[in-house]
Amino acid sequence: QQPVQSPQAVILREGEDAVINCSSSKALYSVHWYRQKHGEAPVFLMILLKGGEQKGHDKISASFNEKKQQSSLYLTASQLSYSGTYFCGTEDYGGSQGNLIFGKGTKLSVKP
Amino acid sequence: KAGVTQTPRYLIKTRGQQVTLSCSPISGHRSVSWYQQTPGQGLQFLFEYFSETQRNKGNFPGRFSGRQFSNSRSEMNVSTLELGDSALYLCASGVNYGYTFGSGTRLTVV
Repeated sequence: QQPVQSPQAVILREGEDAVINCSSSKALYSVHWYRQKHGEAPVFLMILLKGGEQKGHDKISASFNEKKQQSSLYLTASQLSYSGTYFCGTEDYGGSQGNLIFGKGTKLSVKP
Repeated sequence: KAGVTQTPRYLIKTRGQQVTLSCSPISGHRSVSWYQQTPGQGLQFLFEYFSETQRNKGNFPGRFSGRQFSNSRSEMNVSTLELGDSALYLCASGVNYGYTFGSGTRLTVV
């Protein structure tokens, strides 16, 4: 029931774009995205609720396809500060509030 | 407003001992969730407390327990420590708006 993230790792040059995918086998109520830098706690980026909405946060946006039980995180014109590990966390209809199940993460490295 | 506060930041314990970790959520938040983070398993859900009641529990052995007090502060306890319990333990509050995580407690079992 853990969501599957892909790719596991990606290396970019500054200014390049990237897409990180999160896929679940369960019907999802919401998807959260977090970024964790080395030695720090995960930091919340955005939450997407059912309805296929897309949200944005600076040059980082995400979509949620409820029917496909998938979410994608889009990073455009990447900056050095985008480096870190990105996690999706999912709430499904079988679970209860407060119980986010996280994917294993995608390590993003942005090089100058 | 103050964030999520976890104490202590670092702990070194010996196998067989027990340990108690503390977490104070953001003021006004009544829910506290605990996660274990290891390089191999990632972020694993331990349990969640809401208004002093355990609302959800992950798939961890009974050696892992927790509680929440009337002021929403939460503690988790691990008894009979094993080497495999070495991990970063994170608590978080405010899932409805996106979790705010504490800085975590790094537990090393030797």
